[in-house]
Amino acid sequence: NAGVTQTPKFQVLKTGQSMTLQCAQDMNHNSMYWYRQDPGMGLRLIYYSASEGTTDKGEVPNGYNVSRLNKREFSLRLESAAPSQTSVYFCASRPQGTGELFFGEGSRLTVL
Amino acid sequence: SQQGEEDPQALSIQEGENATMNCSYKTSINNLQWYRQNSGRGLVHLILIRSNEREKHSGRLRVTLDTSKKSSSLLITASRAADTASYFCATDDGGNTPLVFGKGTRLSVIA
Repeated sequence: NAGVTQTPKFQVLKTGQSMTLQCAQDMNHNSMYWYRQDPGMGLRLIYYSASEGTTDKGEVPNGYNVSRLNKREFSLRLESAAPSQTSVYFCASRPQGTGELFFGEGSRLTVL
Repeated sequence: SQQGEEDPQALSIQEGENATMNCSYKTSINNLQWYRQNSGRGLVHLILIRSNEREKHSGRLRVTLDTSKKSSSLLITASRAADTASYFCATDDGGNTPLVFGKGTRLSVIA
């Protein structure tokens, strides 16, 4: 089992470009999450999907969109990247709406 | 939204010593969890303590929870250089809401 897989691992964008971060889990989990991690800020929730077919905003959703494509996949899209979106992005999942989270290895995004 | 706040922000100790990290939070919780993050890696779950539990052990880890003070502590005994990492607490209020993470404690264990 791969667990939670994120692609790409590294990406450099120019301001205004768009891109999609992909996340897939093979643990049959219902809930999936996107967090961003910035120095000194801990992890902040961007969007989450409590179950297939639902998505909700987290603490810092502006500038992002998400798609829960199916039970396995949860993508995060930046429509027009800004330097403030330079960060490390983590996808996570858990079986249901409570309990431990399983994290991917992160996607490091730099916006110039 | 509620948030765990870890204390201290950074901690440096010698190998073999014990390391204690604290977490305070603001509102009622269903459970509190501790995670570890090695440099450049994703977070890994260490231990979960439910609101009706006061203490929990897992190997060299000991977690306490005081719901009256809204605080938790993580004790790592007989630390090793490999314990060098950042440690985060996260609160879960149940009801299908996401975990909320603190800013973490950066632990350095010097051999």
